[in-house]
Amino acid sequence: DAKTTQPTSMDCAEGRAANLPCNHSTISGNEYVYWYRQIHSQGPQYIIHGLKNNETNEMASLIITEDRKSSTLILPHATLRDTAVYYCIVSPLAGGTSYGKLTFGQGTILTVHP
Amino acid sequence: DAGVTQSPTHLIKTRGQHVTLRCSPISGHKSVSWYQQVLGQGPQFIFQYYEKEERGRGNFPDRFSARQFPNYSSELNVNALLLGDSALYLCASSSDGHQETQYFGPGTRLLVL
Repeated sequence: DAKTTQPTSMDCAEGRAANLPCNHSTISGNEYVYWYRQIHSQGPQYIIHGLKNNETNEMASLIITEDRKSSTLILPHATLRDTAVYYCIVSPLAGGTSYGKLTFGQGTILTVHP
Repeated sequence: DAGVTQSPTHLIKTRGQHVTLRCSPISGHKSVSWYQQVLGQGPQFIFQYYEKEERGRGNFPDRFSARQFPNYSSELNVNALLLGDSALYLCASSSDGHQETQYFGPGTRLLVL
């Protein structure tokens, strides 16, 4: 599975956009980029995923570069409740040996302050 | 709709004991995966089950085992508990055994003394 690199921590002011970067330079053509977050002592929460095109849902936007070697998760108006660890995960499609396996790294600790 | 549920929420055991953790997937989901999260680290994949068959296994000793029932719920069993087994155990379900989005439960926090 391709590895990802994320900053250890980031700060964001409440109400401002939070832009979380992720590098995945060894990503393969059939691998998706997934984002999860984990609020202290809770289970990870799915945020968004994408393959090539930019994606948007009610929680966030995902911007993937044209070469797919990096991506950015955007929380458009961060609130205090968005304080969490954010994980960027590259996951292969079925057919190989990685059924159902998400490989979590250390993630980015996002702190939203008033 | 109910999400993934896990029981118990917390558990305290002593070294050498055995533990069983339970997971009920989202209604309609046929695949269950188990993860272990040690304090300060990201979750680590243990098993994935689909249609009652093991489809994937992470780098964990044979003391760890699991099974999936006809109603797609699942149990994770850990024998001969070690102090290092203290962790948050997470269950995730997805609609099939392939790369569909996985949705996690709240976890079971196990403390081994």
